[in-house]
Amino acid sequence: AQTVTQSQPEMSVQEAETVTLSCTYDTSENNYYLFWYKQPPSRQMILVIRQEAYKQQNATENRFSVNFQKAAKSFSLKISDSQLGDTAMYFCAPNTDKLIFGTGTRLQVFP
Amino acid sequence: EPEVTQTPSHQVTQMGQEVILRCVPISNHLYFYWYRQILGQKVEFLVSFYNNEISEKSEIFDDQFSVERPDGSNFTLKIRSTKLEDSAMYFCASSEGTFYEQYFGPGTRLTVT
Repeated sequence: AQTVTQSQPEMSVQEAETVTLSCTYDTSENNYYLFWYKQPPSRQMILVIRQEAYKQQNATENRFSVNFQKAAKSFSLKISDSQLGDTAMYFCAPNTDKLIFGTGTRLQVFP
Repeated sequence: EPEVTQTPSHQVTQMGQEVILRCVPISNHLYFYWYRQILGQKVEFLVSFYNNEISEKSEIFDDQFSVERPDGSNFTLKIRSTKLEDSAMYFCASSEGTFYEQYFGPGTRLTVT
């Protein structure tokens, strides 16, 4: 069975600072993508960033970047220059043929 | 920008009643999914649908659940006889390919009383 572990239930960061959210997963698949989704209080699921497992280069999307370590099955998300609007639940989700979500990290950005 | 839409946004029903949750995926997407999220818990996969048939379903997706693509635009989830534990947010998602990013609708909050 595929599992996803997000070991930080809650994190907080001051505005403009950098924060890293951790994620480890377990899969026997070789071909997959990995995603981070954000869920603000509205509960809408919003795609933050994606990483193809066959690519060694870490994905970057504006202030968001990942550190992908395939052998270690680790996929952390770094948010630079944190903004108040980044306050949300963040879910890590590998996708083999369906998304398997972790339990999430609640991120609070404070002024 | 294309988006996935879902109706209704909130559905209240009595235990034992049938409900149909509706979704309109992004028009050029071929893969469709339903997920659910019980309040305070993680998002769980229910079912995937491709080429007019179920590709995969989870243990949650028992005989009480069914999906259908009745026309070229809608994708529905039906729960035949709702239980209290079916109360959750139900998300529809669609994607262009199996491994690609999935785009989520805003969800339907189902409350079973």
